[in-house]
Amino acid sequence: NAGVTQTPKFQVLKTGQSMTLQCAQDMNHNSMYWYRQDPGMGLRLIYYSASEGTTDKGEVPNGYNVSRLNKREFSLRLESAAPSQTSVYFCASSESIRGLGGGYTFGSGTRLTVV
Amino acid sequence: GQQLNQSPQSMFIQEGEDVSMNCTSSSIFNTWLWYKQDPGEGPVLLIALYKAGELTSNGRLTAQFGITRKDSFLNISASIPSDVGIYFCAGPPNTGNQFYFGTGTSLTVIP
Repeated sequence: NAGVTQTPKFQVLKTGQSMTLQCAQDMNHNSMYWYRQDPGMGLRLIYYSASEGTTDKGEVPNGYNVSRLNKREFSLRLESAAPSQTSVYFCASSESIRGLGGGYTFGSGTRLTVV
Repeated sequence: GQQLNQSPQSMFIQEGEDVSMNCTSSSIFNTWLWYKQDPGEGPVLLIALYKAGELTSNGRLTAQFGITRKDSFLNISASIPSDVGIYFCAGPPNTGNQFYFGTGTSLTVIP
């Protein structure tokens, strides 16, 4: 019953440091996503992977890179963190991009602060 | 690009009151989904709607797929403190290979 698992749950970085956010799903979903959510704002898509082996930019990709390691895992990397990247990051997965078969399933989020 | 506009943006209500919110788009949607995000958590699917006019309930929650297929509505009856959170509509437009989330409605229930 794990669903979508994100690690870490909390992280504080100094400006310029790098880190990788990890995400794994156990629902055999084809598509995976990374969103960020800022206070008072909705979900903004950073990158997505429609299927294993593919990745595409979303609405706000600058400053991030992703890797679809296998069908289960999709990581998000910040190469040189900036204060503007302070946010809550959510990983999600679905059977297809159009959300058929139950919509998107979300992880519980990673709260990142860049100082 | 496509934008799903939710109204109202925020609501402050007394415990026991009923709540109504809606979601509108500029495109026709085939499916409407409603999510709830508890404070400090990720969004969780509440209700899914698959055809125009459909009315579906999940406990005290009732959602409707608008006849025009460009809108959807969510009602919560007899609100309780644990209803607090952000409610998102979402779905895929009729054309294209995309999935969109609404701007969210933040609900605060005052005991």
